[in-house]
Amino acid sequence: QKEVEQDPGPLSVPEGAIVSLNCTYSNSAFQYFMWYRQYSRKGPELLMYTYSSGNKEDGRFTAQVDKSSKYISLFIRDSQPSDSATYLCAMSHNYGGSQGNLIFGKGTKLSVKP
Amino acid sequence: ETGVTQSPTHLIKTRGQQVTLRCSSQSGHNTVSWYQQALGQGPQFIFQYYREEENGRGNFPPRFSGLQFPNYSSELNVNALELDDSALYLCASSFDRSYEQYFGPGTRLTVT
Repeated sequence: QKEVEQDPGPLSVPEGAIVSLNCTYSNSAFQYFMWYRQYSRKGPELLMYTYSSGNKEDGRFTAQVDKSSKYISLFIRDSQPSDSATYLCAMSHNYGGSQGNLIFGKGTKLSVKP
Repeated sequence: ETGVTQSPTHLIKTRGQQVTLRCSSQSGHNTVSWYQQALGQGPQFIFQYYREEENGRGNFPPRFSGLQFPNYSSELNVNALELDDSALYLCASSFDRSYEQYFGPGTRLTVT
């Protein structure tokens, strides 16, 4: 079993739809949870990060973490064609004082149609 | 504020050759992490440099090595290139080994 599982999609939605992206994980030591957006042939862009269970909102984006179920989600409201990209979840723990070894999911490719 | 930069953008090498990739960290960051991203996959952690020393390594062989310089920039060196080394190599910078990492645009390496 992979440490982080993410449905690769592709996911296609009409403009204005609410998008739900999800990851599950197996390592209960993960404490930090991130979502990255990656446009084709570009580096990942940090969208949101959170340390604890619960919700975190930033504009049209909401990140949700449920540590008891080992499940994280990213919701995109009022999706736009410019949101079309691959979305990567990432997680890390705090072994030896370093949080820097990020474990990524495979990414979900999202397409928002006008 | 200057973001993370990487050079070169693209590189084509022959199997068995050696390659050096470069990364300049974001202003104010002292930690650099390197990742390998194969096509259709998420990035995989290679190693991290903090205060000019390797501070954690993923499941990569010793022919993957690195350096960090006093100005916090970094190099990734790969010896004896194999076809499977073809990938996008990403550098990410952070402050004090934090999980909050910011990525550069990557170097696309093709090994023929």
